[in-house]
Amino acid sequence: QVQLVESGGGVVQPGRSLRLSCAASGFTFSSYGMHWVRQAPGKGLEWVAVIWYDGSNKYYADSVKGRFTISRDNSKNTLYLQMNSLRAEDTAVYYCARKFSPPAATEDWFDPWGQGTLVTVSS
Amino acid sequence: NFMLTQPHSVSESPGKTVTISCTRSSGSIASNYVQWYQQRPGSSPTTVIYEDNQRPSGVPDRFSGSIDSSSNSASLTISGLKTEDEADYYCQSYDSSPNWVFGGGTKLTVL
Repeated sequence: QVQLVESGGGVVQPGRSLRLSCAASGFTFSSYGMHWVRQAPGKGLEWVAVIWYDGSNKYYADSVKGRFTISRDNSKNTLYLQMNSLRAEDTAVYYCARKFSPPAATEDWFDPWGQGTLVTVSS
Repeated sequence: NFMLTQPHSVSESPGKTVTISCTRSSGSIASNYVQWYQQRPGSSPTTVIYEDNQRPSGVPDRFSGSIDSSSNSASLTISGLKTEDEADYYCQSYDSSPNWVFGGGTKLTVL
């Protein structure tokens, strides 16, 4: 079955860096774009970044642009999120999600989601 | 960019029907598809409606989605409520920036 497993979360001081990973299995990873979505404690969902299936296009939310970098290694079926200059407001559970759409569709959505990894930015 | 506004919470009794709204702040609700996600406590979100009114396999037909251009909103309706439906529900749509937009979420209590 399709499975996404995030790792790399933890406690980090403001201004420091952290890299998250998302290991994919059960589908042809190199055929799908991938997203990162985050959820601050007790809050709603916020889209963070997307990468196309071949890495050719990457887009970011304004809140993380210039600080976060999304990347992927299709040979390892793994998605990454490099987070630099972390701030307290980046504290959240970070989910990876497959960029899913039916054939010939012009829009996509998030399906499925991983279980998430918690990032806490605190001194 | 636009925003999607949902009620903070709704509650209803088992067996009843509840509707959760999602109002788009600018631009037409019909311009982009709306998805709905269910997030049970301690779990990741799962899709219950995609492309406004389509149900993924495995989602009961008690769940239905619709859009209303007159109110510029989308709705998720759950009929025959069960205690297992108690969860947070998020609407989501797409902005051409590109940007994927979520509503603030609605906490459904089945009491």
